[in-house]
Amino acid sequence: GENVEQHPSTLSVQEGDSAVIKCTYSDSASNYFPWYKQELGKGPQLIIDIRSNVGEKKDQRIAVTLNKTAKHFSLHITETQPEDSAVYFCAASKVAQKLVFGQGTRLTINP
Amino acid sequence: SQTIHQWPATLVQPVGSPLSLECTVEGTSNPNLYWYRQAAGRGLQLLFYSVGIGQISSEVPQNLSASRPQDRQFILSSKKLLLSDSGFYLCAWRVVSEQFFGPGTRLTVL
Repeated sequence: GENVEQHPSTLSVQEGDSAVIKCTYSDSASNYFPWYKQELGKGPQLIIDIRSNVGEKKDQRIAVTLNKTAKHFSLHITETQPEDSAVYFCAASKVAQKLVFGQGTRLTINP
Repeated sequence: SQTIHQWPATLVQPVGSPLSLECTVEGTSNPNLYWYRQAAGRGLQLLFYSVGIGQISSEVPQNLSASRPQDRQFILSSKKLLLSDSGFYLCAWRVVSEQFFGPGTRLTVL
């Protein structure tokens, strides 16, 4: 079955700098890759996703890139702000099948 | 628009007591429904999922059970809680690709 590895487990960046979180997956048939942001005490929130027919997707300060050959995908946050501090999860699946989540990255933005 | 509700938001229960957590979804039909548990500072552990009324798949053998009596209702239960059942319980729904989580229930077993 699918296995997703996420790195780093913790990440600390200065406000205004960029943050990058990376995930690798094992099943080459996976074709859907979402990213979630979880703030303390809340449920994870879907922030961006990408499908295997696209190499990159952007939404304002957030972007996701996908390398199908290497089976890895990354979340890029530019011009980080204090409200970006949270735990971020990546996931992978075939469409309509169970999502397999990474272990999470705790991102801290230092003012 | 779609909305997912979970209740209660927080719950403190003694060891050996029963449990019933409820999740309902509005604004969508025939969703896949999921129960996850999250230990403090940890990742998301899938407990159960359902693709339709009365259809439940268990991911991890344990002290819990799930039921789906209606299309948009998903219930997590236990007959006797253990200390290890403490955690943050999340319900989620999914149609085709995108999956959305509820606000969660914080369960503390004492």
